[in-house]
Amino acid sequence: AQSVTQLDSQVPVFEEAPVELRCNYSSSVSVYLFWYVQYPNQGLQLLLKYLSGSTLVKGINGFEAEFNKSQTSFHLRKPSVHISDTAEYFCAVIPSGGYQKVTFGIGTKLQVIP
Amino acid sequence: GAGVSQSPRYKVAKRGQDVALRCDPISGHVSLFWYQQALGQGPEFLTYFQNEAQLDKSGLPSDRFFAERPEGSVSTLKIQRTQQEDSAVYLCASSAPRGEQYFGPGTRLTVT
Repeated sequence: AQSVTQLDSQVPVFEEAPVELRCNYSSSVSVYLFWYVQYPNQGLQLLLKYLSGSTLVKGINGFEAEFNKSQTSFHLRKPSVHISDTAEYFCAVIPSGGYQKVTFGIGTKLQVIP
Repeated sequence: GAGVSQSPRYKVAKRGQDVALRCDPISGHVSLFWYQQALGQGPEFLTYFQNEAQLDKSGLPSDRFFAERPEGSVSTLKIQRTQQEDSAVYLCASSAPRGEQYFGPGTRLTVT
């Protein structure tokens, strides 16, 4: 079984400041890692994913994440946030074998302050 | 279609009523998933279909929950005798085999 921990339920940050949203996972098997964004009253949109290869992954909207196997982390970063980045962000994992039942964290609400 | 669609977008049911939630996946996607997202929580897996076969229903919280996908395309999630704890957003996702999951906008169910 897999589990995902997002330690920060809310993260306020000023516009144009950098941000890091933390994610740690636990799994007895190898996993693929994802970050999704959810805007109010909308479904989930994939920001980026790590399947294999380079541990630094770049996604849409200027976000990037780094996979750290030894620390079982997959933190999401953006060097300069915009008001439009205000949303809820979910870290997620799936086992790299078998079908893709996704296990999500509880989410982090990013609040960008003008 | 352009993406996964779900209907209705909002549903209010009185406790004890039955509800049916519909999901139209992306054309050609063989895999279909249902998730339940309670307020302030991340989505939690309910059930998985590969074509018309329901291969995993381990996440369904009780026998009041039932899902079907009879022709391997549209899927319906049915909840019988709704309870207040069933209030949540129900998300549907579809994917090609071992591909990225695409999520619909969800159906927000409120049980009063």
